[in-house]
Amino acid sequence: EAGVAQSPRYKIIEKRQSVAFWCNPISGHATLYWYQQILGQGPKLLIQFQNNGVVDDSQLPKDRFSAERLKGVDSTLKIQPAKLEDSAVYLCASSLGGVNQPQHFGDGTRLSIL
Amino acid sequence: QKEVEQNSGPLSVPEGAIASLNCTYSDRGSQSFFWYRQYSGKSPELIMFIYSNGDKEDGRFTAQLNKASQYVSLLIRDSQPSDSATYLCAVGGNNRLAFGKGNQVVVIP
Repeated sequence: EAGVAQSPRYKIIEKRQSVAFWCNPISGHATLYWYQQILGQGPKLLIQFQNNGVVDDSQLPKDRFSAERLKGVDSTLKIQPAKLEDSAVYLCASSLGGVNQPQHFGDGTRLSIL
Repeated sequence: QKEVEQNSGPLSVPEGAIASLNCTYSDRGSQSFFWYRQYSGKSPELIMFIYSNGDKEDGRFTAQLNKASQYVSLLIRDSQPSDSATYLCAVGGNNRLAFGKGNQVVVIP
């Protein structure tokens, strides 16, 4: 079974630029999550999709972050404009159902803001 | 109070010993409990999950859940150098999975 695919693996941009991340979940997984993980901390949920609908985006900084999951499969997360404090690893995870189902993570995208 | 707390500092254990990690949570209605292992520079990897009070064993790993006291623990028996990593506790409830900040384990050969 193929795991969660993410790209790119690394990204370096200057502040105020924009960046986009892509995620393809495990086949058949209805729920997709985007997390932000800052060094030394646990992952922090940014947004949760169930199929192509948003379940929870309460911690997403909506003035600069946006995400979509068209057709209920792949998802993209965008940051525009980026700030220095956005430097982190962005993790995508998927699960069969809601939060009581085990989540499986992709390799993540390490974002550095200069 | 944080949703999920993992307070212990780095844990150093001799090879072959038992490593014990603890995690407390604030939401009494939490229903699902997970332990993830994260190697430096890698993404979290699921190693255990537990839903009911008591113990659950999988190989060298045992998860223990006590909902009355609101804690979940992870025991690693016969610790190996390959177990050196950060262990993340995650608790599911209110339609959200909350992670602790993790505990670093160092297994000394």
